[in-house]
Amino acid sequence: QKEVEQNSGPLSVPEGAIASLNCTYSDRGSQSFFWYRQYSGKSPELIMFIYSNGDKEDGRFTAQLNKASQYVSLLIRDSQPSDSATYLCAVSRPTDSWGKLQFGAGTQVVVTP
Amino acid sequence: GAVVSQHPSRVICKSGTSVKIECRSLDFQATTMFWYRQFPKQSLMLMATSNEGSKATYEQGVEKDKFLINHASLTLSTLTVTSAHPEDSSFYICSARVLAGSDEQFFGPGTRLTVL
Repeated sequence: QKEVEQNSGPLSVPEGAIASLNCTYSDRGSQSFFWYRQYSGKSPELIMFIYSNGDKEDGRFTAQLNKASQYVSLLIRDSQPSDSATYLCAVSRPTDSWGKLQFGAGTQVVVTP
Repeated sequence: GAVVSQHPSRVICKSGTSVKIECRSLDFQATTMFWYRQFPKQSLMLMATSNEGSKATYEQGVEKDKFLINHASLTLSTLTVTSAHPEDSSFYICSARVLAGSDEQFFGPGTRLTVL
């Protein structure tokens, strides 16, 4: 079992709709959860982080965390063509003191006009 | 804030040569920096953790004598790919941890290495 799992996609979303991305993780001790966006040929860009159970909203993005079920999700409201990218879920490694993150393989999102 | 730069952005070299990549935190001090490698259409793979003033720690399967890491100051870490071969061609990305006690990492723009 991979430590962090995401559907690879592509997830096709009509412009203006909600994109829903899911991520599951295996280590119950993980405390920090991040969503990064990566455009093709570019490096990842941090868009959200969440540490506590529940929802966290930032603009059109909402991160949801459920530690009991070991999943974290990202909702993108009013999806725009510029949201077309690969979204990486990253989870902290609880046994590591240096702050290493474990990344999922990413979900490719394609927003169609 | 939290800007990380990398230099060069792109490099092409001949097989057998060494290539040095610099990673700088521009507006903060980073006690910990990370080096990743990403092959086309694959996810990020952590290569090593670079800590200022101490030896880097490498992930399993990463050759420390081939990928030399030096973290000489709180704002600079370097990765040297020694005796590069075509299979080392990849996208190398560094990231920096902004605060001790926080797991947030900010990434540099990456260096695309092509070994002929």
